[in-house]
Amino acid sequence: TQLLEQSPQFLSIQEGENLTVYCNSSSVFSSLQWYRQEPGEGPVLLVTVVTGGEVKKLKRLTFQFGDARKDSSLHITAAQPGDTGLYLCAGHGLINQFYFGTGTSLTVIP
Amino acid sequence: EAGVTQSPTHLIKTRGQQATLRCSPISGHTSVYWYQQALGLGLQFLLWYDEGEERNRGNFPPRFSGRQFPNYSSELNVNALELEDSALYLCASSPVEIRTVPGTDTQYFGPGTRLTVL
Repeated sequence: TQLLEQSPQFLSIQEGENLTVYCNSSSVFSSLQWYRQEPGEGPVLLVTVVTGGEVKKLKRLTFQFGDARKDSSLHITAAQPGDTGLYLCAGHGLINQFYFGTGTSLTVIP
Repeated sequence: EAGVTQSPTHLIKTRGQQATLRCSPISGHTSVYWYQQALGLGLQFLLWYDEGEERNRGNFPPRFSGRQFPNYSSELNVNALELEDSALYLCASSPVEIRTVPGTDTQYFGPGTRLTVL
């Protein structure tokens, strides 16, 4: 059973397009993190959101934490080939445990 | 500053054998986490060690075990290997044990060990 569900699972878009990835759960998390993982490497942290309703921007990436701290979204504006990778959300639960989402594999075609 | 390192990069074993995977955390980090990333299943939490003790484990059978050494490096052992144990095993480290301030802690991942069970 996956605590965090991500959608879509796969996404292939043209360079310059916008996209949104969703991370949903029925559980409340104290914080939520987004990672990007490239082939042959471990996940790299992009952002941590803590407060319900919080919005954080990282250049062309916008992250939002749901008001109830159960879901989050990642929006990428004007996607570039360098954005290609596996995007993972992770909720920080009790007992210092992180629950990872199923992942969204993004391919940006030049 | 050196990142999290893992060895070996690749490991090929046959069913029933034992596998040992190693992880060296970032200098100064006391917590080490192990995850299994099987194809199409995302990251599944395996184990968390801090200050040499197992603090929490995920929903995995007892044949998955490990330990943390006084220098905070860690070892993951998988006994009686099964075909479905084939996966990328990721280690992460973080500098704090108890997160009193949510969101202030970060996990830093190593490149992983690709375990293939034949």
